[in-house]
Amino acid sequence: KAGVTQTPRYLIKTRGQQVTLSCSPISGHRSVSWYQQTPGQGLQFLFEYFSETQRNKGNFPGRFSGRQFSNSRSEMNVSTLELGDSALYLCASSSATSTDTQYFGPGTRLTVL
Amino acid sequence: ELKVEQNPLFLSMQEGKNYTIYCNYSTTSDRLYWYRQDPGKSLESLFVLLSNGAVKQEGRLMASLDTKARLSTLHITAAVHDLSATYFCAVDIRPSGSEKLVFGKGTKLTVNP
Repeated sequence: KAGVTQTPRYLIKTRGQQVTLSCSPISGHRSVSWYQQTPGQGLQFLFEYFSETQRNKGNFPGRFSGRQFSNSRSEMNVSTLELGDSALYLCASSSATSTDTQYFGPGTRLTVL
Repeated sequence: ELKVEQNPLFLSMQEGKNYTIYCNYSTTSDRLYWYRQDPGKSLESLFVLLSNGAVKQEGRLMASLDTKARLSTLHITAAVHDLSATYFCAVDIRPSGSEKLVFGKGTKLTVNP
């Protein structure tokens, strides 16, 4: 069974630009969550999608948005990039059953210059 | 707001020794996860603990959960160099109706020969 895939793996942008990250969950998983990992703040929850609906959102500004498609693939968008957005962005998928865990993808390393 | 605290944050130990990593959380939850992260890599799921008194073991690692004390432990037995990594605990507040993990800051484990 293929794992969670994320594209691109690395990205370099400049301040003010926008970026779109993509995540393909494990086949059959309908829940996709996004997390930001930085050395200072650690791992922080961004949002979660289930069946194309956002079920929960973390404490991030509105510049961070996402969506999920009917095939459960998800995209995350960050507009008007700031230096502080430089981070590893991790996507996780889950079958959303009571006993399952979240399986993480390899991440997208975003550098904002 | 749920807070998850791990200690120690840094742990240097010799091969063959035993040690325990602690994870305390502030809100009632009966769902806790342990992940491992190698440098530059994503998160690898180690254990899912789903009820009070749950104990899981895999190789030299054993995790337990005490929901009354809001405490989980990750015990390392006879450490080997390959266990060097950062270990995260995460608490699931799924009762809110969505998948959202709140992570501890991680424990960076270094096992020295």
